[in-house]
Amino acid sequence: QLRLQESGPGLVKPSETLSLACSVSGGSISNSNYHWGWIRQSPGGGLEWIGIIYYTGTTSYNPSFRSRVTISLDTSKNQFFLRLTSMTAADTAIYYCVRENFIYGGHPSDSWGQGTLVAVSS
Amino acid sequence: QSVLTQPPSASATPGQRVTISCSGTRSNIGSNTVNWYQQFPGTAPKLVIYTNNQRPSGVPDRFSGSKSGTSASLAISGLQSEDEATYFCSTWADSLVVFGGGTMLTVL
Repeated sequence: QLRLQESGPGLVKPSETLSLACSVSGGSISNSNYHWGWIRQSPGGGLEWIGIIYYTGTTSYNPSFRSRVTISLDTSKNQFFLRLTSMTAADTAIYYCVRENFIYGGHPSDSWGQGTLVAVSS
Repeated sequence: QSVLTQPPSASATPGQRVTISCSGTRSNIGSNTVNWYQQFPGTAPKLVIYTNNQRPSGVPDRFSGSKSGTSASLAISGLQSEDEATYFCSTWADSLVVFGGGTMLTVL
């Protein structure tokens, strides 16, 4: 059974950088059939795709975040990471790590972590 | 403002069939397949339909999906109280995943 688990700070100050990790168990992030990504959900409930990474290190980002976001991975630890700079109150959200199946055209996310709430406040 | 358009709410009584719509454009739904997610309060979304009409293992066959042109629909037949949740549609468009704003389904 695949399991994804986010970890990181629950509170970030404005202008600082958010760093989150996603630990994957029950499967390998080196599996060539999947992307590994991040999606966030605002307090209003809307979902927003941040970006994904392939096991080769190839990334794709939402243009809305492109200048602030970096997704990386460590295959030896079966983890991938999100780094989001210049945080503002608008970045307050629940951040989910996901497994994305890109074989299907709509890129469904078929496994999700439980999510981690990140608040941006001084 | 979400890229895909869903009604904010829907309701039906147990046993009934309910349909939730998702409207897009030629560049998103019109060019790719649609997925649907179910989310209960305080939990992560769960994939219930992918590639327009495919159900992941473990999803009851009461859930079905369809797509026509630039719109898609999720149908739930034989509605049960445990189906009360928020449902999101999504697709791939212009090199990113886009979502609908979500429809909160109430089982009366």
